[in-house]
Amino acid sequence: DAGVTQSPTHLIKTRGQQVTLRCSPKSGHDTVSWYQQALGQGPQFIFQYYEEEERQRGNFPDRFSGHQFPNYSSELNVNALLLGDSALYLCASSLAAGLTEAFFGQGTRLTVV
Amino acid sequence: AQTVTQSQPEMSVQEAETVTLSCTYDTSESDYYLFWYKQPPSRQMILVIRQEAYKQQNATENRFSVNFQKAAKSFSLKISDSQLGDAAMYFCAYRYRYSGAGSYQLTFGKGTKLSVIP
Repeated sequence: DAGVTQSPTHLIKTRGQQVTLRCSPKSGHDTVSWYQQALGQGPQFIFQYYEEEERQRGNFPDRFSGHQFPNYSSELNVNALLLGDSALYLCASSLAAGLTEAFFGQGTRLTVV
Repeated sequence: AQTVTQSQPEMSVQEAETVTLSCTYDTSESDYYLFWYKQPPSRQMILVIRQEAYKQQNATENRFSVNFQKAAKSFSLKISDSQLGDAAMYFCAYRYRYSGAGSYQLTFGKGTKLSVIP
């Protein structure tokens, strides 16, 4: 059973550029959440997607946007990258009906230079 | 808004000994979940243990157990018979139990780095 997979694992971008990160949820899961984890910090909730719509959003600017596809996979897009966007981006999948356990991917390490 | 506080940035334990990691949280809700996640150098968050607030009995998972004090809003993790593979960052997290605004997100503490000494 494949767990949550994220791509790419590492990424280096220049300030002002745009980036797209990808996530495939655990088999059978229909809900995807994205988190940003800055160095030495706990993960911060960005948003959650369910039924191809953003269901809840954390305190992040509109430069952060996402999408969920019919197969439940998801993308996180960040526009106009800032140096402060450098972080580990974690994807977590879960069952909407369960509302209990979230399974995480190994993350994408984004470095903005 | 809910907050989760882990007051121990770093802890160390001798192999085979017991260690307790502390976590406090603040919420106005009465029904919620609490979690401990482990993040090894591989970066993947792994669920260690889950506690449902409406259950008075403390959760246990093999060598891992919690001390849940709802009135004190305290949720500590005890690791018994520590092993080298337990070395990792440990995060305490909170989530409201029911659906609704603000309920779907996990709120994490800043983490505790646990070192295991051979």
